[in-house]
Parts: sequence; C-alpha cells; structure tokens
Amino acid sequence: KQEVTQIPAALSVPEGENLVLNCSFTDSAIYNLQWFRQDPGKGLTSLLLIQSSQREQTSGRLNASLDKSSGRSTLYIAASQPGDSATYLCAVSIPLRNDMRFGAGTRLTVKP
Amino acid sequence: DGGITQSPKYLFRKEGQNVTLSCEQNLNHDAMYWYRQDPGQGLRLIYYSQIVNDFQKGDIAEGYSVSREKKESFPLTVTSAQKNPTAFYLCASRRGSNTIYFGEGSWLTVV
Repeated sequence: KQEVTQIPAALSVPEGENLVLNCSFTDSAIYNLQWFRQDPGKGLTSLLLIQSSQREQTSGRLNASLDKSSGRSTLYIAASQPGDSATYLCAVSIPLRNDMRFGAGTRLTVKP
Repeated sequence: DGGITQSPKYLFRKEGQNVTLSCEQNLNHDAMYWYRQDPGQGLRLIYYSQIVNDFQKGDIAEGYSVSREKKESFPLTVTSAQKNPTAFYLCASRRGSNTIYFGEGSWLTVV
C-alpha cells in the first residue's frame, strides 16, 4: 500500500528565507506527484504537477523536484512571504485505481 | 467560471439522521472524488467515480453512499451508520491522471 509522509509537520521561518518542504512515498510506481496549498477551512489549490517522467517543475517562486527511485519530492519556496503561510500537501497518483494518496501536510508560517 | 461547487458549507447532523452533501462540477471531467479530512491528517478517499453510473469504494466507504446519475453531479450521503461523521469533506474532479481540482469543502458536525 502506498504511504505518503511529509516532514516536518510544521515549520516557522522569517520572511525572506528560502525553504524546502519534503515529501516521501513508499512505492515508486506512480503516474505523477502533485503539490497543493490549503488555507484554513478551505479546499486545496494545485501548485505544481510533476509527471513520473519529469525531474522538476517550476512556477514563479516555487520549484518542485521528483526522484522516483528514492521515493522523494521536495518543494522549494524562494524568498518566502507572509502570504505563503498555509498548509502544503503532496499527493501521488496511483495507477489502476486513478486515485491519489495524500500526505498529512506541512503547516508553514512565515513571520513578517 | 469553471469549477467545483460544494454545498452546504456548514451542516449539522442529529443522531440517527442521514444528510447529503452536494458536489457539482462544470469542468467536463469524467472522474469525481469524495475525500474526508480530519484535523492534522491527510485526505482519505471515501468514494470515487470514473464515469456516469459507476463508482467505487475508497478506503473509508463504510457509512457513506454516493450516486453518479449525471456527469456533473456526485452527491455524498452520510448515513446514520457512520458513527464518527464530524469532519471536513472535500469533493474533487479531474480528467485522466491530470491535475485534480477541489471544491471549497463542507463542514459536517454532529449535534
């Protein structure tokens, strides 16, 4: 069974700092990996989608990498801002069932 | 604008009562999903549907039921058999294995 883990569970940084969020998964047989942002009491917003054949994706200050063989992905946020404060979740897409398996998320706080 | 609409945003259920959460999408996506989120935990799959008139149980389907009579609609019923229904419920949809899109969620509380 595919398990997805995100470490740390919570992270607090000063504004302007570059940071890395980690996601690991136990089964390398995935279609893709997706990073999401969730604000309190809201749904999930997709940030980046990395296909299994890709190594990384970039969008603005965000860069996500994927290493399927080691079962790891990282989300790099450059020059963090208070508006980046949210919970960040990663999810892997499971073959055959067309389902996604989610991590518990990392709650990020960026202090002004 | 295209998107996923969930209603109601807040719902209260009395003991022994069935309640239904609505999910409508106008993205023309074939696949739709219901997830449950508890505090500090990831999303857990309740049910999913890949085409109209077909749906599959997820990891925590007991006490829940769904229907998929139209491509745009995938309502979730929380039955009295679900003993711990208080949670945040999220509906999602996607085409193939592409980006998945979520609604804004519904809060269900037992009173």
